[in-house]
Amino acid sequence: DAKTTQPPSMDCAEGRAANLPCNHSTISGNEYVYWYRQIHSQGPQYIIHGLKNNETNEMASLIITEDRKSSTLILPHATLRDTAVYYCIVRPPFYNQGGKLIFGQGTELSVKP
Amino acid sequence: NAGVMQNPRHLVRRRGQEARLRCSPMKGHSHVYWYRQLPEEGLKFMVYLQKENIIDESGMPKERFSAEFPKEGPSILRIQQVVRGDSAAYFCASSPQEKLFFGSGTQLSVL
Repeated sequence: DAKTTQPPSMDCAEGRAANLPCNHSTISGNEYVYWYRQIHSQGPQYIIHGLKNNETNEMASLIITEDRKSSTLILPHATLRDTAVYYCIVRPPFYNQGGKLIFGQGTELSVKP
Repeated sequence: NAGVMQNPRHLVRRRGQEARLRCSPMKGHSHVYWYRQLPEEGLKFMVYLQKENIIDESGMPKERFSAEFPKEGPSILRIQQVVRGDSAAYFCASSPQEKLFFGSGTQLSVL
């Protein structure tokens, strides 16, 4: 079972920041937080991951709370092409069980003009 | 560097036939994962393989389903005697280690 809780859906205005929350209150000390998204009918796409520190790449920023029990994915300037289901996944280090990901229900983000 | 290649993109089978789904991982990736997505449902892990080895098959149905990743060639997900409930999108992913890269999937339709 997925170890994360996400709102089922969110709306965001085009050009504004999209902030997607995720609760993972049972996360273990060595588990990473990963974010993927799935645009309709396509394969999931990696966005970002982190352990403790905040992370930023060309797609998004990941903010992890100090107690690591929750995180927020930030898309700084959402576009219509960012409409997708966003999955927050908690996963042990690769050496524990490989790269296996357990997907939950995710958040369906709708970016509106 | 080509991405993860899955073929066919669409596969139609009649009940009782066999379905073979192929996945060519990205160059240099030695880990392959198969996922299934039933209509209006989430992605479910099926199996994790390395070259010539099944590492984790905890998500595979006990009967009719098998997977392999030979030393040479693509990974194959094989479904014998398909039933209508097998109709789904099947996604393959590969990884060098931490990050998984997914293919575009095979949509299996069972008539």
